[in-house]
Amino acid sequence: DAGVIQSPRHEVTEMGQEVTLRCKPISGHDYLFWYRQTMMRGLELLIYFNNNVPIDDSGMPEDRFSAKMPNASFSTLKIQPSEPRDSAVYFCASSLMSGSGNTIYFGEGSWLTVV
Amino acid sequence: SQKIEQNSEALNIQEGKTATLTCNYTNYSPAYLQWYRQDPGRGPVFLLLIRENEKEKRKERLKVTFDTTLKQSLFHITASQPADSATYLCALDRPGGSYIPTFGRGTSLIVHP
Repeated sequence: DAGVIQSPRHEVTEMGQEVTLRCKPISGHDYLFWYRQTMMRGLELLIYFNNNVPIDDSGMPEDRFSAKMPNASFSTLKIQPSEPRDSAVYFCASSLMSGSGNTIYFGEGSWLTVV
Repeated sequence: SQKIEQNSEALNIQEGKTATLTCNYTNYSPAYLQWYRQDPGRGPVFLLLIRENEKEKRKERLKVTFDTTLKQSLFHITASQPADSATYLCALDRPGGSYIPTFGRGTSLIVHP
């Protein structure tokens, strides 16, 4: 399997612009997660989906952030309008829930810089 | 809410020694605890999972212990190598039985040749 695939890997954008991050989870996984990682706050869960349905978006910082999962093989995280404080690494991850726990498989991340 | 504490200072050790990293947590006792490795510029990679009813789990040179009384997990790498240099994160499932992990901020390990 190719693993979790994210695009773009790097993005530099100007403040006020719309940013769309994309993710293809591992085939067969039923959970999809969006995390944000910064030096200050570590790895934060923004939102997660189960079977394409958003379950918990309490980690989404504000209304400028939105996420969708139109089908089992694709998800987007959108920031509109972007601000410099949104600069971070955004990770998409997926998992297959079992009674033994929930091992998360991460993508390589999308490095976002807002100037 | 769950608070996860990992040493923010880097751990520097000599090659061949055993590295021991600590993960402490407060409040809720998790059903399981996981350890991940993260290399610079990469996403975290799963290493080991230990359940609340397990005291110890091993995988090759890795050993994890889970003390629910102390609310602590220890992560050991024996016969450490420079290639083990990375940041190691612990993760605990959130309360409510959802099995959704919350991550600590990680500890950086540097193994010197």
